[in-house]
Amino acid sequence: AQSVTQPDIHITVSEGASLELRCNYSYGATPYLFWYVQSPGQGLQLLLKYFSGDTLVQGIKGFEAEFKRSQSSFNLRKPSVHWSDAAEYFCAVGADNAGNMLTFGGGTRLMVKP
Amino acid sequence: DVKVTQSSRYLVKRTGEKVFLECVQDMDHENMFWYRQDPGLGLRLIYFSYDVKMKEKGDIPEGYSVSREKKERFSLILESASTNQTSMYLCASKIAGDGEQFFGPGTRLTVL
Repeated sequence: AQSVTQPDIHITVSEGASLELRCNYSYGATPYLFWYVQSPGQGLQLLLKYFSGDTLVQGIKGFEAEFKRSQSSFNLRKPSVHWSDAAEYFCAVGADNAGNMLTFGGGTRLMVKP
Repeated sequence: DVKVTQSSRYLVKRTGEKVFLECVQDMDHENMFWYRQDPGLGLRLIYFSYDVKMKEKGDIPEGYSVSREKKERFSLILESASTNQTSMYLCASKIAGDGEQFFGPGTRLTVL
């Protein structure tokens, strides 16, 4: 069975600083990987996904993620954080390439200091 | 604009009550999902439906059932609510093929 670990429960960064959120997965086959964001009181919104091909994936809101098979990681990055990025971020791995059976990590809550 | 709506944002029920959570999507999506979200555990899949009257168990189906009589509507049923079912419940939908899941705003259920 697949699993996802997000080692950092909370992260605080200053506005304008760079950001990296960690995600490690366990899955026996080629993983299908996703990052979602949840703003307070909102549902989840897809930031980006990796199915195959280029291991550096660009998403919405200036986010990117890099798939590293050797490290079983799919870390999310942003070069300059904005106050509106404060939210909870979830990494997920899919058991099929249609994005149906998702296993989510525990989430990382991002706080942004002015 | 895509939309997934859930019938209530907040719900308070008593132990033993039968609880219905409703989800409606207006995107003509084939697949619909119910998750529960708990701090530190992320989202866990309860049930998944890939067509009207069709369902698949997710990771934590115990204590829950679902109903999908129409394509746009997917209901989660707690036959006899218990305090350990206090949680945030999220509904999602997507097309049958490759695609992202679109989430509703969630229902925060408290069982007393």
